Formats: sequence, structure tokens, C-alpha cells
Amino acid sequence: GAVVSQHPSWVICKSGTSVKIECRSLDFQATTMFWYRQFPKQSLMLMATSNEGSKATYEQGVEKDKFLINHASLTLSTLTVTSAHPEDSSFYICSATDRSFNYGYTFGSGTRLTVV
Amino acid sequence: DQQVKQNSPSLSVQEGRISILNCDYTNSMFDYFLWYKKYPAEGPTFLISISSIKDKNEDGRFTVFLNKSAKHLSLHIVPSQPGDSAVYFCAASKTGTASKLTFGTGTRLQVTL
Repeated sequence: GAVVSQHPSWVICKSGTSVKIECRSLDFQATTMFWYRQFPKQSLMLMATSNEGSKATYEQGVEKDKFLINHASLTLSTLTVTSAHPEDSSFYICSATDRSFNYGYTFGSGTRLTVV
Repeated sequence: DQQVKQNSPSLSVQEGRISILNCDYTNSMFDYFLWYKKYPAEGPTFLISISSIKDKNEDGRFTVFLNKSAKHLSLHIVPSQPGDSAVYFCAASKTGTASKLTFGTGTRLQVTL
């Protein structure tokens, strides 16, 4: 089946630094990538949607200059948390679909970000 | 504005019995619904989905029921097994193809021996 590989699985960074999270589709072309955030014991909240080669569409309340999304190829999308602060500590998950929705929504394994 | 709600944050069921997880939604534009199982610090695992043109979909031990008039869906797991213990999320989208998912608040299922 379809697989999305997400790295790193966890990361600790200092306040003010930037962190990049990668999601790669291993056996299909991810034409659309969704980025979610989950705070402890809460739901998965969509942050942004990106289509390959286009600018990402951000959900209300999500700062596009803080959460930079790049989806330059059909197999790779990245989320960069810039100038991270402790309140950005969360669990970030990507999800990908192909153009024909052949594999449904394929989720990555998530990244636990801790900002100290 | 929580458009998809799971009113039971937790549920405990004995092994072998039926687990029923419920989900309500408010947006009548949603027409595709999914259930996911999730462990802490892992991505969600897809279980089963249903389109709004159906009212029931079955896959092995999992059955999803959809009541469009009530804007309610439920997931039945029978028989429940200890390995089913996890957090379950329902999710909804407006179309079945590459449309963003709106997740419910989750229900923690504990299957006891």
C-alpha cells in the first residue's frame, strides 16, 4: 500500500531556532499534502493544504510566515517551523493524497516537536 | 467551531463485547466520513469509511453506520479485542477526493479482559 515517510519522529530545539519536518511519499505521487497539528489529548487540527508546485493554503489562525510549507515535488513536502517558541511544541502530522485518490489519505507517522 | 464532535471522551468495553463509538457533525456539506485509530506519538491508521450515499459499510469486525438526517455516524467493533484499545477519531470531508479532513475530538477505547 501507499506509504508516507515522515522525519524526524521527534526533535528538541531551542527557542528562536527553526526546525524542518519532511514528508516523503514512497510509492505514489503526492499531489496534495495536508499538515496537521495535535496538542495533547486534543483533535488533529489542519494547518495547511498544499498542492504540488503551488503555494500552500493556510487555515484561519495559522501564520504562514511562521509555518513555511514547501511542496516542490510530487514526493516531498516540508514544513519549517521558524523562530520556534515553546507554544509551538506539539505533534505534527502530514497526510498525502494522489490526484485520483487511489490510496485515500495516507498519513505520516508524525513528529513530536519540543521547544525549550 | 467544532464541526465534528465525539461526545464520549472515553469508553471501556469487555473483550468479546461490542464497542460502539459515536460521532456527530454539524456541516451538512460533509459527504464522506472516515474512522481512524491512533496511538500516542503515531500517525492515524485508517479503519473504514462511508460515503453519504450509503447508510452502512462493513469491513470485517468494523461496521460504520451513517444517519444523515441526524448528522450522526457510529463505529461498531465486534467482537472487541484488547488490541483495539486506542484513541478513535472520526473525520469528515466535503468530497471524497483530496479534500481536507475535519477530525472529531476523539474517543479513548479501553478493551478489558
